[in-house]
Amino acid sequence: KNQVEQSPQSLIILEGKNCTLQCNYTVSPFSNLRWYKQDTGRGPVSLTIMTFSENTKSNGRYTATLDADTKQSSLHITASQLSDSASYICVVPSGGTYKYIFGTGTRLKVLA
Amino acid sequence: NAGVTQTPKFRILKIGQSMTLQCAQDMNHNYMYWYRQDPGMGLKLIYYSVGAGITDKGEVPNGYNVSRSTTEDFPLRLELAAPSQTSVYFCASRLDRTKDGYTFGSGTRLTVV
Repeated sequence: KNQVEQSPQSLIILEGKNCTLQCNYTVSPFSNLRWYKQDTGRGPVSLTIMTFSENTKSNGRYTATLDADTKQSSLHITASQLSDSASYICVVPSGGTYKYIFGTGTRLKVLA
Repeated sequence: NAGVTQTPKFRILKIGQSMTLQCAQDMNHNYMYWYRQDPGMGLKLIYYSVGAGITDKGEVPNGYNVSRSTTEDFPLRLELAAPSQTSVYFCASRLDRTKDGYTFGSGTRLTVV
């Protein structure tokens, strides 16, 4: 069964600290994986996309990694800011026009 | 550009009532989607459309209907609302299937009592 699982479910860190969010997927065939950030009361916004051949990609303080062999991706946030408080969602397409599998997300809270 | 605009932002319905959730995009995107997001769950696809006049069911279409008379608009109709339809609804769009990134609206929080 195609699945996307994220961990941890929630995370609390102090401002300025780093953190890493995990995404494990069992989707096959695999083409790409995308990380979204969802602020409270808002729709998700794309942070980055990882294709099959990519291992690491950075977008400012966000760095995503992909290991297609172990079917794992991580999102590393450096020097966290209060504005990083949000849910982070991992999404993998599962073939077909509409078959995108959304993870349940990691809810991150950054404290001052 | 406004992106994807959803209205209303909040709504409370009584069991059995009907309503239409509005979604409009001004990016000339061909693909449009309706998702629902329940607490602790990943987004689930309700309906999608690949262009004006073309719609199809997603994972959880029961109790909903859609239409796509124009490229810009993709309204979601709830007939005979039930408590199980209490959720946050998101409309999304993208240019075509080669462009994987969605643009999401800000959501409609619906409560059925």
